[in-house]
Amino acid sequence: SQQGEEDPQALSIQEGENATMNCSYKTSINNLQWYRQNSGRGLVHLILIRSNEREKHSGRLRVTLDTSKKSSSLLITASRAADTASYFCAHYKAAGNKLTFGGGTRVLVKP
Amino acid sequence: EAQVTQNPRYLITVTGKKLTVTCSQNMNHEYMSWYRQDPGLGLRQIYYSMNVEVTDKGDVPEGYKVSRKEKRNFPLILESPSPNQTSLYFCASSPRDRRDEQFFGPGTRLTVL
Repeated sequence: SQQGEEDPQALSIQEGENATMNCSYKTSINNLQWYRQNSGRGLVHLILIRSNEREKHSGRLRVTLDTSKKSSSLLITASRAADTASYFCAHYKAAGNKLTFGGGTRVLVKP
Repeated sequence: EAQVTQNPRYLITVTGKKLTVTCSQNMNHEYMSWYRQDPGLGLRQIYYSMNVEVTDKGDVPEGYKVSRKEKRNFPLILESPSPNQTSLYFCASSPRDRRDEQFFGPGTRLTVL
């Protein structure tokens, strides 16, 4: 079964609003990453937060990490139509050089 | 431009006809992986390689082969494709000192009839 589940599975908002999505995971991690995927295309790395960090910012993105709850959130502020995409959280396992992805949140930003 | 490239980007083939999806990276990365993405199942790792001539199975290796004869290339081979291998495939690479930050290729959409 997949580790890492995103919530909600889908989100529809108006341009200018904030979008928040959450990710839960089951194992201990060294870091957690967020990726964006535009409609069946490649994955773009957005941000990485390490296990000793609680919050990180990158432009309009804010990521939080709560290792006690094994959860992370991604906030996109002042959303734009171009933010329409699927967003995935992922954590890395050195054994197997593997990123384990969640199921993703589909975000639709309406103009 | 630093990138991971995959070819072809789209492929429709028939059951049993051998095919190869190429992956190449120009960043001198040691680590490379193949993933497949399926609705409801997310991305799953097929094979990975930690360096030239070093490859190992991921979570779903059945029906696939890989090779790593050169550092930059990591082709995915389907010797006898079947319809259940219809999927979106991604190649990824990462450097030795930052293995966890993987750079993904644009994806190859494969349909096996």
